[in-house]
Amino acid sequence: DADVTQTPRNRITKTGKRIMLECSQTKGHDRMYWYRQDPGLGLRLIYYSFDVKDINKGEISDGYSVSRQAQAKFSLSLESAIPNQTALYFCATSDRREVHEQFFGPGTRLTVL
Amino acid sequence: GIQVEQSPPDLILQEGANSTLRCNFSDSVNNLQWFHQNPWGQLINLFYIPSGTKQNGRLSATTVATERYSLLYISSSQTTDSGVYFCAVSNGYKLSFGAGTTVTVRA
Repeated sequence: DADVTQTPRNRITKTGKRIMLECSQTKGHDRMYWYRQDPGLGLRLIYYSFDVKDINKGEISDGYSVSRQAQAKFSLSLESAIPNQTALYFCATSDRREVHEQFFGPGTRLTVL
Repeated sequence: GIQVEQSPPDLILQEGANSTLRCNFSDSVNNLQWFHQNPWGQLINLFYIPSGTKQNGRLSATTVATERYSLLYISSSQTTDSGVYFCAVSNGYKLSFGAGTTVTVRA
């Protein structure tokens, strides 16, 4: 969805480096999410945020941290990247209202050597 | 979390054929979405359908919430329909994804 953007789109880094993935949205949604996808699998939730001051761990948060700089921006950091964090990372947003539909960004393909 | 099973895991179609993809889930849900992941990895929202039936062009979907399943229909398939189709469900905020159905449409 063009309303949710992610940077960078592709990144190759080395073991031990710190990496930040950024997500911005113009949908005006309060809720933002980070997911990871491994080859041949569905997506798994890393972190989610219901507003700027409400950040929560998902099912696979170890090795990751996040920052919600503003309603429209949600960043994911890998403090010390390791090869098994090689994956496709997606940001998503949803509205707080009754409709729970989530909208996804284009993804960031991260390779850790 | 909610368990999501998709079938079949793989589907090979001749262009013009029709097909049905199935998604079973283990608990009541307030969100069910179907996505198409294209060869570039992008997730395309197809349907938001926690219950009922919707149609969008050659695609349609039906969710029977009381029986905990959803069906995605592809009619008159085209090569551009190739990719992986994911079903994802939620009963709160966290989407649980199935493993996907890989569809290959041959010309």
